[in-house]
Amino acid sequence: AQSVTQLGSHVSVSEGALVLLRCNYSSSVPPYLFWYVQYPNQGLQLLLKYTSAATLVKGINGFEAEFKKSETSFHLTKPSAHLSDAAEYFCAVINQAGTALIFGKGTTLSVSS
Amino acid sequence: DVKVTQSSRYLVKRTGEKVFLECVQDMDHENMFWYRQDPGLGLRLIYFSYDVKMKEKGDIPEGYSVSREKKERFSLILESASTNQTSMYLCASSFGGVTGELFFGEGSRLTVL
Repeated sequence: AQSVTQLGSHVSVSEGALVLLRCNYSSSVPPYLFWYVQYPNQGLQLLLKYTSAATLVKGINGFEAEFKKSETSFHLTKPSAHLSDAAEYFCAVINQAGTALIFGKGTTLSVSS
Repeated sequence: DVKVTQSSRYLVKRTGEKVFLECVQDMDHENMFWYRQDPGLGLRLIYFSYDVKMKEKGDIPEGYSVSREKKERFSLILESASTNQTSMYLCASSFGGVTGELFFGEGSRLTVL
């Protein structure tokens, strides 16, 4: 069955530091993978998605993620954190039937000045 | 811009009450979803619908039902609310297959006393 595991429920970085949020997936079929972000008191919005094209996916706000099949990973990175990046981030994979997304438990990113 | 509107941002209900959570999208999307979000558990799929009058159970449908009489509207119903249904409820919609982007509403925070 499809699933995602986000390593680390909280990540804290300083402004300007590298952001690395980890996601590992389990999938019995070639996966479609997503990263969503949720700012306080808002719904989720799509950051980026992997749909079996390029393994390095660029998203909004300077984020990118690399699909590594050998490591079953889809980690999210940003070279330089901004204060405005503070939010909760969710990794997701399409379910086996291809009908809905299965989300990870989320990682809260804190950015300090 | 796509807009997904959830009718109530905050609700307080009593145990045993019948609760309706309404969701409307304005982009003619076929697919609509209800998720439940709890701290440390991420998002869990309750029900989804891929067409008018069609519904499919997600991972945690017990205690919930849904209604989709019109394409733009997807309602989540708690027939007899219980305290363990206190949560944030998120509605989402998408066009075509779920490989497309999910658009989320801002959420409805339900407290059952």
